[in-house]
Amino acid sequence: NAGVTQTPKFQVLKTGQSMTLQCAQDMNHNSMYWYRQDPGMGLRLIYYSASEGTTDKGEVPNGYNVSRLNKREFSLRLESAAPSQTSVYFCASRPGTVSPNTGELFFGEGSRLTVL
Amino acid sequence: GDSVTQMEGPVTLSEEAFLTINCTYTATGYPSLFWYVQYPGEGLQLLLKATKADDKGSNKGFEATYRKETTSFHLEKGSVQVSDSAVYFCALGMDSSYKLIFGSGTRLLVRP
Repeated sequence: NAGVTQTPKFQVLKTGQSMTLQCAQDMNHNSMYWYRQDPGMGLRLIYYSASEGTTDKGEVPNGYNVSRLNKREFSLRLESAAPSQTSVYFCASRPGTVSPNTGELFFGEGSRLTVL
Repeated sequence: GDSVTQMEGPVTLSEEAFLTINCTYTATGYPSLFWYVQYPGEGLQLLLKATKADDKGSNKGFEATYRKETTSFHLEKGSVQVSDSAVYFCALGMDSSYKLIFGSGTRLLVRP
């Protein structure tokens, strides 16, 4: 069972370069999320998509864009990478649009990004 | 705004010791509460949850009780194992929002 799949797992960029993190889930979930994890700061929400065709900003959206390509896929793009975006990025999904916050979040394994 | 506060780590215990990791929350309303665990090199996975006051979530020997009067959801285990070494995150979610708000995480290290 694949669950939530993220690519790439590791990436090194130079300041100013762009890249896209890909995420796909095979559980027919409605909602998808991008978080970043930094030491001592836990997980912070970047963007989320409550359902196909919608996206909304989280706590730390600056410097990022997202696309909910279809129900399965939710990508995160860094247009001009900065050292402050060095982090571990997690994609997650959850089933429902009804009582959304009682449902479990399923996480991918993470993508470690380093910006030099 | 809504927030979650966890005790700072790392917490270092010997095998078979009793574990408590404190978690308190601030929320306008009645959130659902969660504990997630992250093993080294992996993503987070749900450990347990409680959706209303006085509910007790439990899984793999871990327990946490939703205490509305103290706005707390402390994680406990009676006898930890080396395999419990991980980072533990407390989180809350409100029905009015799709967001799940996480605490900063507490690293647990269990020594043989």
